[in-house]
Amino acid sequence: GAGVSQSPRYKVAKRGQDVALRCDPISGHVSLFWYQQALGQGPEFLTYFQNEAQLDKSGLPSDRFFAERPEGSVSTLKIQRTQQEDSAVYLCASSLVTRGDTEAFFGQGTRLTVV
Amino acid sequence: SQQGEEDPQALSIQEGENATMNCSYKTSINNLQWYRQNSGRGLVHLILIRSNEREKHSGRLRVTLDTSKKSSSLLITASRAADTASYFCATGLSGTYKYIFGTGTRLKVLA
Repeated sequence: GAGVSQSPRYKVAKRGQDVALRCDPISGHVSLFWYQQALGQGPEFLTYFQNEAQLDKSGLPSDRFFAERPEGSVSTLKIQRTQQEDSAVYLCASSLVTRGDTEAFFGQGTRLTVV
Repeated sequence: SQQGEEDPQALSIQEGENATMNCSYKTSINNLQWYRQNSGRGLVHLILIRSNEREKHSGRLRVTLDTSKKSSSLLITASRAADTASYFCATGLSGTYKYIFGTGTRLKVLA
């Protein structure tokens, strides 16, 4: 596709439910990032993939958060036993190369609301 | 934690006026990028300036970078109502792949 695609756009989960958020990066992009954006705040880094390798997961807030990119393209962010504080917009971004000096393209995000 | 802070947090101007937003950061960077985010939408990349560049232009946008002061500014000239959005700076940290975002400036352009 032409850009980074995320699905679903909106997700309402009951507290304690597991959710899975999908990201389709731009074809051929090596780097993939997940960010969490709380209301009125800037995006906060969660995790980074270089192809299928998860090189940095330092931003994941707890062990309830898990991300994967098994074939180096599509990525899934999974949140287990969701809590109200997990409510946020989850943004995925991809970039062509691995150096931190190129443009990152963002998807529209998935707005997660935990009730 | 967030690397950068934008200033001001909010800005309201009349259509046709110029808007200036500033970003300060803390550590060495490879580059600095500016993004726009309309309410409820994703981030749109505006411009990237590398650490060895001092100024860059793109249409009505002008970005400056002062690495000695660890600061950058984004100037939008001849603003339009459609420029109403939140603007974020994001720093690409030296030696890493990460982009760290600031807190954002909410710009409102009044018609």
